[in-house]
Formats: sequence, C-alpha cells, structure tokens
Amino acid sequence: AQKITQTQPGMFVQEKEAVTLDCTYDTSDPSYGLFWYKQPSSGEMIFLIYQGSYDQQNATEGRYSLNFQKARKSANLVISASQLGDSAMYFCAMREGIGSGTYKYIFGTGTRLKVLA
Amino acid sequence: ETGVTQSPTHLIKTRGQQVTLRCSSQSGHNTVSWYQQALGQGPQFIFQYYREEENGRGNFPPRFSGLQFPNYSSELNVNALELDDSALYLCASSRSSGAAGNIQYFGAGTRLSVL
Repeated sequence: AQKITQTQPGMFVQEKEAVTLDCTYDTSDPSYGLFWYKQPSSGEMIFLIYQGSYDQQNATEGRYSLNFQKARKSANLVISASQLGDSAMYFCAMREGIGSGTYKYIFGTGTRLKVLA
Repeated sequence: ETGVTQSPTHLIKTRGQQVTLRCSSQSGHNTVSWYQQALGQGPQFIFQYYREEENGRGNFPPRFSGLQFPNYSSELNVNALELDDSALYLCASSRSSGAAGNIQYFGAGTRLSVL
C-alpha cells in the first residue's frame, strides 16, 4: 500500500536554528512527486517545496530544502534559520501516476512545529 | 494568496441533508482536486477533475460527487450527510494533470459541521 509516514507529531526549535522534519514514503510507482506543505492555524495549505522522483539534485526554495534519499525512500524537510512565523503544521505529500491518466495524492499525518523565541 | 477561492467558509448541516461546496481555481489552472481533512489528521484525497471529467478518486463513497465547469471552477456535493463528514474540505488547483510535478495550490477551505 502506498503511504506517507511522518513520525514526529510535534517538534520544538529555537528561533534562528535549523530544524529537520522527517518524511518517509512507500510506493511501487517509478514516477512520483514529493511535496511539503505548511498549514497555519488559519487552515490554508501553503506549498513549500517539490521534489520529483527523477530529480538528481535536492530541491531548495529559500530557507527550505528537501533532503531526498531515494534508496531510503525519505524526503525530509530542512528549515534553516527558523522564524516565529514558521510555527505551523507541516505535511509531507506524494503524488503518483504522473502521465498515466490516473492520479492519487497522499498526505502524511503532519508534524506540528513550534518555534521558540 | 493562492488565487483559489472556496465558499462558503463555514457551514452547519444536519445529518441526512445534502451540501454543495464551491471552488474557483487559480487563473490558468485546469485541474481541481478536493480533499477532506478531519480534525488532527492529514488531508484525504476525494477526487480530481480535469477538463470537466473525474480523473482520479480516493476511497470515498458515491455520495461524494463533483462537477467541473468550462471555466474550471468546481463543486463538491455530498448527499445523505453523516456525522463523520464533519471536516475541513480543501480544494486545490493545478495547471495540468499530465505535467510532471504540477503543484497544487490550495484554497482556505470550507469547514463543515454536521449535527
């Protein structure tokens, strides 16, 4: 069964420090995409970063980087220089079936990050 | 702001009723997906629409149905509401279901409470 696993229900990080949020995935589809989203208390899901299964390099978007280890099926999110506004729920997600005409998106259970002043 | 708008923001219904939720996709996007997010959980994929046709479905019963219109806006309809249908319903739009890695942009959601 395809799934996304986030093993950290909650994390604390000191302001200005880096933090890693873990994500492992399971799929038999050779073509897939991995995403991280941030969900503040307001509820809106905000796209952060994307990694394709065939991408050779790890994705980076400003303070966000994705540590993609394909053999281990992990796609950890690294947030550098944490800010108070980073406090939110973070979801790892996977999209399968690119080009097949049928698509399914799976989200993990999320990690709640709290940045401390 | 993603440009994806959902209405209404909040809704209260009673068990057995029917509900329609609406979503306007971001300009230039032709694909819309719907998700159900129960409290404290991750979003669950309901279905996706591309060019007005359903193009993928999650593990939801047929009483969850949808439409996509020529302007790519979409509706989610839920019949015979159950208490467990209480959740945040999220709509997401993207450019094309055929493009690798197309990114979904989400609206702020509709919070449905079923009493």
